[in-house]
Amino acid sequence: NAGVTQTPKFQVLKTGQSMTLQCAQDMNHEYMSWYRQDPGMGLRLIHYSVGAGITDQGEVPNGYNVSRSTTEDFPLRLLSAAPSQTSVYFCASSYGTGRTDTQYFGPGTRLTVL
Amino acid sequence: AQSVTQLGSHVSVSEGALVLLRCNYSSSVPPYLFWYVQYPNQGLQLLLKYTSAATLVKGINGFEAEFKKSETSFHLTKPSAHMSDAAEYFCAVSPLTGTASKLTFGTGTRLQVTL
Repeated sequence: NAGVTQTPKFQVLKTGQSMTLQCAQDMNHEYMSWYRQDPGMGLRLIHYSVGAGITDQGEVPNGYNVSRSTTEDFPLRLLSAAPSQTSVYFCASSYGTGRTDTQYFGPGTRLTVL
Repeated sequence: AQSVTQLGSHVSVSEGALVLLRCNYSSSVPPYLFWYVQYPNQGLQLLLKYTSAATLVKGINGFEAEFKKSETSFHLTKPSAHMSDAAEYFCAVSPLTGTASKLTFGTGTRLQVTL
């Protein structure tokens, strides 16, 4: 299994541009989520999905859209990039939605918005 | 709302010394707690988790953590540090209801191991 994969690894955008961060998992996990990691702030949840066709907002959803058309894929869209969205983005998945389920993280995408 | 506080953003220990990384939680009832590790330029990996089965939890790579309700703590320890333990460590708490993937993370502690 490849686990959780993310593309691209690095991306530089100009303010106002849009882009999609890709996330895929091959473990047939029900649950997927997106976090952003900023220095001194830990990880904060952006959006999550409990299954195909079902998504919901996390702690910091503004400026981001998600959709989940398949179990495997959970892309994150930046509609109009802003410098405040410069961050490292991690996708994670877990087999179920239980409160003790282990989350598996992808390697991350480092995004810089100029 | 639940939260975790990690005391010390940077901790430095000598190789072979005890590792102690502190995490205190804020919750009205005993929560589920996790420790994750992030090696340089990688994603997070689960070290161990407390699910109320036992207060002393053993994880991977020789790490363990003890849940202490009286102190609202879940500190991470390892008897003897190795150079390969240099990484950033995150404590996280699961919500009281709903879905586990809505973890709340602490701000992280960067562990440096010196010769």
